[in-house]
This record gives sequence, C-alpha cells and structure tokens, in this order.
Amino acid sequence: EADIYQTPRYLVIGTGKKITLECSQTMGHDKMYWYQQDPGMELHLIHYSYGVNSTEKGDLSSESTVSRIRTEHFPLTLESARPSHTSQYLCASSGSPRDNSHIQYFGAGTRLSVL
Amino acid sequence: KNQVEQSPQSLIILEGKNCTLQCNYTVSPFSNLRWYKQDTGRGPVSLTIMTFSENTKSNGRYTATLDADTKQSSLHITASQLSDSASYICVVVDRGSTLGRLYFGRGTQLTVWP
Repeated sequence: EADIYQTPRYLVIGTGKKITLECSQTMGHDKMYWYQQDPGMELHLIHYSYGVNSTEKGDLSSESTVSRIRTEHFPLTLESARPSHTSQYLCASSGSPRDNSHIQYFGAGTRLSVL
Repeated sequence: KNQVEQSPQSLIILEGKNCTLQCNYTVSPFSNLRWYKQDTGRGPVSLTIMTFSENTKSNGRYTATLDADTKQSSLHITASQLSDSASYICVVVDRGSTLGRLYFGRGTQLTVWP
C-alpha cells in the first residue's frame, strides 16, 4: 500500500471559488505529478515536479497552479473554479532511492464538481 | 491519436472464468510497459512492469506478456474474482525523456459477475 494521500476525496463548489487540492506522500519520493482524468478517458499529465522548488506544466493545458515547498507536499490550486474544471484529479509520486523502476504510486484522487 | 490503444473497451465475465486484455502501442523509444488496476473512485495501483527484454511477468493470478517487436501486450487474469472488477490500464514509458514520460491507455472496464 502506497503512502500518498489526497484531500478532499470529493468537493462540490460554486463557480468562481478558489480551491486547493492537497497531496502528501511519506515515501521520500523526489518526483510528484498531477493528472486529470475524465470518466472513461485516459489520464492526462497537467503538472509535475522533480523536487523542491521545481514545477513544470504537463501535456494538458490547465488553469491550475502548483507549488513544491516541501518534498512531501504538492498542492494544486484553482484561483477561480469553472464548470469546465469538473473532473477527477489524481496525484502521484515516484523516485525512491531504493526503487529504480520509477513506478508511480497514485493517491485515491479528488473528484471535483463545479456548479 | 492515442499512442496506447486498449481492447476491449469493456468486458463482462462470470466469476471463476479467465480473460485476456489487449494493449497495442506506438510509443518509441520504449522503456517499459506497466499494467495498472484502477478501482472505481480510486487511484491506479501497479500490477506488473516489464522492460523490452522481458516477455512475461506474473503477479498472482495476473500474467502480463509483451512482444516488443509487434508492440503488443496482454494481461491475462486467471480464475477471476468479484474483486477483479475494475478498470485495467496499460501504460507505456518513453525512454527518450528524462522524466520517463508515461502514455496511458483509456483502460478496459472489467466486470465480474457472480
């Protein structure tokens, strides 16, 4: 069982609200990722981080932003949520010094609904 | 066009039966191929990982095969259980990028009936 946690699990908010999705891992992984997944569709990478103070945009354009101030924490923020942001957001991490397979371990996800 | 195609899109089988899921990919250069299981409302969990030099890998009742020449992989589930009901996602890792870029298939939705 991987030690990566996302909160909240479910979030329903109104348009225009600012939200932050939390992601924390206790495995000492350097790399962390945010994916967006719509029902029946593949995961799309929206942000990733190689380590503290390192963040990059992924393949899918997203209006969200991320920060990596601590190794274990990789929050995602939407300044002004819109209905088009309704989706499932999955956080993942990889890169333990003892694991050279670079398998990504996923959190349980946050299902976001913007009304 | 997605570089990882999975079939079938969905599958229903009876408990105790075997099934095989398919994955075709065009990702090149290829580093490794992974099968993940994703329960409804949860994050994906890794089942198997294979490099280009491996052609089979087992994890309990799950057996994955890989043909790097034809760029095909399969996941065989033996003696299915109700808890096998989930989406099975094929993921191919690109060797050409520092990040180890992942390409995801859309998954096969497996339902096991009692």
